[in-house]
Amino acid sequence: DAGVTQSPTHLIKTRGQQVTLRCSPKSGHDTVSWYQQALGQGPQFIFQYYEEEERQRGNFPDRFSGHQFPNYSSELNVNALLLGDSALYLCASSLADRTTKQYFGPGTRLTVT
Amino acid sequence: AQSVTQLGSHVSVSEGALVLLRCNYSSSVPPYLFWYVQYPNQGLQLLLKYTSAATLVKGINGFEAEFKKSETSFHLTKPSAHMSDAAEYFCAVSAANFNKFYFGSGTKLNVKP
Repeated sequence: DAGVTQSPTHLIKTRGQQVTLRCSPKSGHDTVSWYQQALGQGPQFIFQYYEEEERQRGNFPDRFSGHQFPNYSSELNVNALLLGDSALYLCASSLADRTTKQYFGPGTRLTVT
Repeated sequence: AQSVTQLGSHVSVSEGALVLLRCNYSSSVPPYLFWYVQYPNQGLQLLLKYTSAATLVKGINGFEAEFKKSETSFHLTKPSAHMSDAAEYFCAVSAANFNKFYFGSGTKLNVKP
């Protein structure tokens, strides 16, 4: 049983460009959350998707958007990249009920130059 | 509002010594508290969680944490450190719906031989 997978592992973009990161949840999970982890910091919650809808959102600008597909996989899109967007982007999956835990993927390392 | 403060960004112990990683939280609702571990170039792995049951929570790899409401603390301990415990540890708080997690800035644990 595969856990949470993310692609790509690493990527380098230039300021002003757009980027799409992908996440496949653990088998059976229906909820996907995205986090940004800047160097030396803890993860910061970006948003959570359930039933193809954004259910919760953290304090991130509209440049950050997402999508969830019918198979529960998810994408994180970031427009007009800034140098400060350089970070490890983590995806976590869970079930919608309250008693489960989140399973984290290995992350995508984004570098903006 | 919820937040987490981890005291000490770096902690160094000798192999076999007690590990104590500190976490204090702030929450306007009954909190659910978590400790995660992150090894280099990997995602986060759940060590243990407090969800309003027993205040002393036992986790994986010999770690445990005690929820102290009066001190708003959830410190992580392990009686005897092992070299394999060297990693970064994150404390997190969530509300009952687990829809949004707030992480501390992390504590890097170094274990000396």
